[in-house]
Amino acid sequence: ILNVEQSPQSLHVQEGDSTNFTCSFPSSNFYALHWYRWETAKSPEALFVMTLNGDEKKKGRISATLNTKEGYSYLYIKGSQPEDSATYLCAFKGTASKLTFGTGTRLQVTL
Amino acid sequence: DAGVIQSPRHEVTEMGQEVTLRCKPISGHNSLFWYRQTMMRGLELLIYFNNNVPIDDSGMPEDRFSAKMPNASFSTLKIQPSEPRDSAVYFCASSLRRAAGTSGGVPYNEQFFGPGTRLTVL
Repeated sequence: ILNVEQSPQSLHVQEGDSTNFTCSFPSSNFYALHWYRWETAKSPEALFVMTLNGDEKKKGRISATLNTKEGYSYLYIKGSQPEDSATYLCAFKGTASKLTFGTGTRLQVTL
Repeated sequence: DAGVIQSPRHEVTEMGQEVTLRCKPISGHNSLFWYRQTMMRGLELLIYFNNNVPIDDSGMPEDRFSAKMPNASFSTLKIQPSEPRDSAVYFCASSLRRAAGTSGGVPYNEQFFGPGTRLTVL
């Protein structure tokens, strides 16, 4: 069983705050790391797929970094808005393993 | 494009009944995934297909679960007989799995999820 952990489990910030959370995954046999955004009552929406150590990806105010050697990825949100409220999931794909999701970080942004 | 289509959106059935969930992937996608989401276990991959062929079904909980993909535009997940512990939201997702080295190609591409089927087994 692969260990894909996300922290914190939940986060409550105010509008305008910048925030970040972590996904930890096995540091061996890395193939790809996915980030998804999952709003309540909707289905997961892909944010990034990252494959190379040192990768940095950006989509609007959201960005992500990847360190495959130490087995972690950070997701950053700059200037959080209420519409950013969602659960952010990471998923790890190893060279010989299926895609395994973390349990997510639930973000709530209030005015 | 309509995105990934799942039906039904909600299903309530009695224990012991057969349940069939359906999925239509995005046209042109060659990989299809079935997931189950529960409060206790989060999002779990049950099975996935590449080019209509089942690749990894190690996530299928037991023999009561089966999945088929008769063609590139349709897949089913069947539970027979259903049990109350099967109650969950079942998601289907599809992706375009490009070969490594192709232009812009990430071999294992992002997945597009359907709206899910909420199954309740009484």
